[in-house]
Amino acid sequence: GAVVSQHPSWVICKSGTSVKIECRSLDFQATTMFWYRQFPKQSLMLMATSNEGSKATYEQGVEKDKFLINHASLTLSTLTVTSAHPEDSSFYICTLAAPLAYEQYFGPGTRLTVT
Amino acid sequence: AQTVTQSQPEMSVQEAETVTLSCTYDTSENNYYLFWYKQPPSRQMILVIRQEAYKQQNATENRFSVNFQKAAKSFSLKISDSQLGDTAMYFCAFMKPWEYGNKLVFGAGTILRVKS
Repeated sequence: GAVVSQHPSWVICKSGTSVKIECRSLDFQATTMFWYRQFPKQSLMLMATSNEGSKATYEQGVEKDKFLINHASLTLSTLTVTSAHPEDSSFYICTLAAPLAYEQYFGPGTRLTVT
Repeated sequence: AQTVTQSQPEMSVQEAETVTLSCTYDTSENNYYLFWYKQPPSRQMILVIRQEAYKQQNATENRFSVNFQKAAKSFSLKISDSQLGDTAMYFCAFMKPWEYGNKLVFGAGTILRVKS
């Protein structure tokens, strides 16, 4: 399967600042990527679908101005949490969609802590 | 909308024994995919097993097998000869390719603890 990396693996930021999380496909052209959010011991919640070269599609209830997604190349999608608050503290996971394999490849996740 | 239900928040099993995790789903679709994912303490999601709805034969992967009952919309995971390394959170997931952009719909998860 494809290898997906995320950077950073853990980030701590102060309330009111912005933080960018990178998701890279190391060996596969990533036309579509997904961003999920997961709270401790809870399920994954889809935040948005990231399509290369076009605007992301956000799920209902997700603030697009707060969670900025950019997918400018076939290997990189970024999620920027703007004006972060403690309630944004969570585990963020990106996945790469494999069109023909009907499967998604998961990144290792990024733990965000907002103080 | 598709929904996935895992009714067992937590389960425990003795090492070497067998355990079954339950999953039901709701869909009006005929062709779709079902998955079981494992999330160990590292939180890296790992694909355990995948089932295509058009295949009647239940998928198996070594000690992991599923009981897929399409009419009943049930998709349970059986883990045989449980090992300590199987301790993790397990998620059942549904995918309807193309129509929903390959989105995965996850169940709430089941925390499995394997005891020695």
